[in-house]
Amino acid sequence: EAAVTQSPRNKVAVTGGKVTLSCNQTNNHNNMYWYRQDTGHGLRLIHYSYGAGSTEKGDIPDGYKASRPSQENFSLILELATPSQTSVYFCASGVIRDISNERLFFGHGTKLSVL
Amino acid sequence: QQKVQQSPESLTVSEGAMASLNCTFSDGTSDNFRWYRQHSGKGLEMLVSIFSDGEKEEGRFTAHLNRASLHVSLHIREPQPSDSAVYLCAVSMKGNYKYVFGAGTRLKVIA
Repeated sequence: EAAVTQSPRNKVAVTGGKVTLSCNQTNNHNNMYWYRQDTGHGLRLIHYSYGAGSTEKGDIPDGYKASRPSQENFSLILELATPSQTSVYFCASGVIRDISNERLFFGHGTKLSVL
Repeated sequence: QQKVQQSPESLTVSEGAMASLNCTFSDGTSDNFRWYRQHSGKGLEMLVSIFSDGEKEEGRFTAHLNRASLHVSLHIREPQPSDSAVYLCAVSMKGNYKYVFGAGTRLKVIA
């Protein structure tokens, strides 16, 4: 089973501070994703990446930056954290089994509280 | 923009009874549907994927897709207390990596 590791598992930040959430996958998946999960909204896509050096905006990119320095690592950066960014953040990596299919593997999530 | 809605918000069933969860989507050109399960404090585990009308079975989990009705459902046969979790529906189009998730159905299975 593919492994996706997120760190930290929990984070408390202050408003206006910088927060970096890290994600590592060791299965050589090209695609990686950052989602946030909020009650009533399900998972919403923030940023994603097709490979090292690439980042793409998802559905709710405002207030977030992403960085994919290598195949294994994909970071989510909040330059100026706000209380509205309090959420649970999930990283996922994807492997394409055929041209019509992609399977996502999710990390355990990072619970971020911005005070 | 794609809208994915799940019902009911929560469901309680007895162990051994069939559990049925619903998901409706707004974009009729969608053709890539997944059901995920999320235990409390954990990541998401994919249960079943379906790409064409009809049904797809993976163990005790069966997905039914009717694209004309913009509806995909998940049926859990002989649910157990360990199946208590939040179930999420995800919809996209083949070749489009951007999945849209529903808000989830919280399932509780009582012994």
